[in-house]
Amino acid sequence: GDSVTQMEGPVTLSEEAFLTINCTYTATGYPSLFWYVQYPGEGLQLLLKATKADDKGSNKGFEATYRKETTSFHLEKGSVQVSDSAVYFCAPGRRNTPLVFGKGTRLSVIA
Amino acid sequence: DADVTQTPRNRITKTGKRIMLECSQTKGHDRMYWYRQDPGLGLRLIYYSFDVKDINKGEISDGYSVSRQAQAKFSLSLESAIPNQTALYFCATSDPGQEGTSEQYFGPGTRLTVT
Repeated sequence: GDSVTQMEGPVTLSEEAFLTINCTYTATGYPSLFWYVQYPGEGLQLLLKATKADDKGSNKGFEATYRKETTSFHLEKGSVQVSDSAVYFCAPGRRNTPLVFGKGTRLSVIA
Repeated sequence: DADVTQTPRNRITKTGKRIMLECSQTKGHDRMYWYRQDPGLGLRLIYYSFDVKDINKGEISDGYSVSRQAQAKFSLSLESAIPNQTALYFCATSDPGQEGTSEQYFGPGTRLTVT
């Protein structure tokens, strides 16, 4: 079945540092790719998505590019803020199949 | 008002008790899901339903059952709760979209503790 591997956390960064969270996936065909974020005490919410190869999803300063050749969808942000502290989940999604979530990467940003 | 609601938000119960977690949505989506979240294990799919007459097992369905009472309601039951079912439970919904895949919308979660 489909699977996803995320870099293990926790990741601790100082404010304004550059962030990369790696995500690679295994899926049949060409799935859509999603990044979700979970703030403390809340449910997951969509951060960004990409539906085909070379698409770049972006939101709130975060970006991720759909790389078919490396089956990757790494999350990046140029300058993190304390308010970005959360758990981040990568998820591929194929047609008529539930999303498969990674184990999540906890990010802590310190001032 | 929230689009996906879960009740209760917190529950403490004893081993062997029957527990029902409820999920309601106002998004008009046909597809609904139940996940559990455990530290270090991410989200794991328990059951999902693509319409009122459709129920499918997920990765970890043993010890759980579900009922899709209506398009808007999807309940998760633990027939005889055990301590390793202590976890955070999330309900989610989605609309298939043109590609047959779209984002899922999550409820706020139910924290269940089995003692």
